[in-house]
Amino acid sequence: DAKTTQPPSMDCAEGRAANLPCNHSTISGNEYVYWYRQIHSQGPQYIIHGLKNNETNEMASLIITEDRKSSTLILPHATLRDTAVYYCIVRLRGGADGLTFGKGTHLIIQP
Amino acid sequence: NAGVMQNPRHLVRRRGQEARLRCSPMKGHSHVYWYRQLPEEGLKFMVYLQKENIIDESGMPKERFSAEFPKEGPSILRIQQVVRGDSAAYFCASSQTGASGYEQYFGPGTRLTVT
Repeated sequence: DAKTTQPPSMDCAEGRAANLPCNHSTISGNEYVYWYRQIHSQGPQYIIHGLKNNETNEMASLIITEDRKSSTLILPHATLRDTAVYYCIVRLRGGADGLTFGKGTHLIIQP
Repeated sequence: NAGVMQNPRHLVRRRGQEARLRCSPMKGHSHVYWYRQLPEEGLKFMVYLQKENIIDESGMPKERFSAEFPKEGPSILRIQQVVRGDSAAYFCASSQTGASGYEQYFGPGTRLTVT
């Protein structure tokens, strides 16, 4: 699986959009970008995934650049409950292997 | 639709005892994964199982750790002769086969404390 790079921490004001970047310059053509988050002491939570088109669900939007070397997870209206560590993971969608978690981005939503 | 269930949520063992951690996957899921998170560290994959089969145990410590996912009942992660370094949060995840993909859904974890 391709390696990802994320900033270690970010702040965002409550109610604003939180934009979390991820670099994955070595991504291959059949690898997807997945996002998970871990709220303190809880199990990781799946957020969204995508291949090359932008994706949106009830939790977030995922914007993937045209060259697929980077992506941005957008939480449109951040709340205090969105404070968590966010992990960007690149893997084969059909791959049923274990996830490789990096250090992620600790997103802190400020009141 | 119940999510992934793990029990116990908290487990205290003395050094040398055995620890058994249980994981019931989401309904319809036939793939189970175990991860370990040591204090102040990231999540590390341990083992991937399907019913009655270990598919990938590349992350499992070579000694004292074993896992199973029987035809009936929950998946079990077993740690024999626990040591203080085994104190960690152990998370189980499950996924389903088929066209909907392999997103993994995690349980709340079991926090193991070895005294």
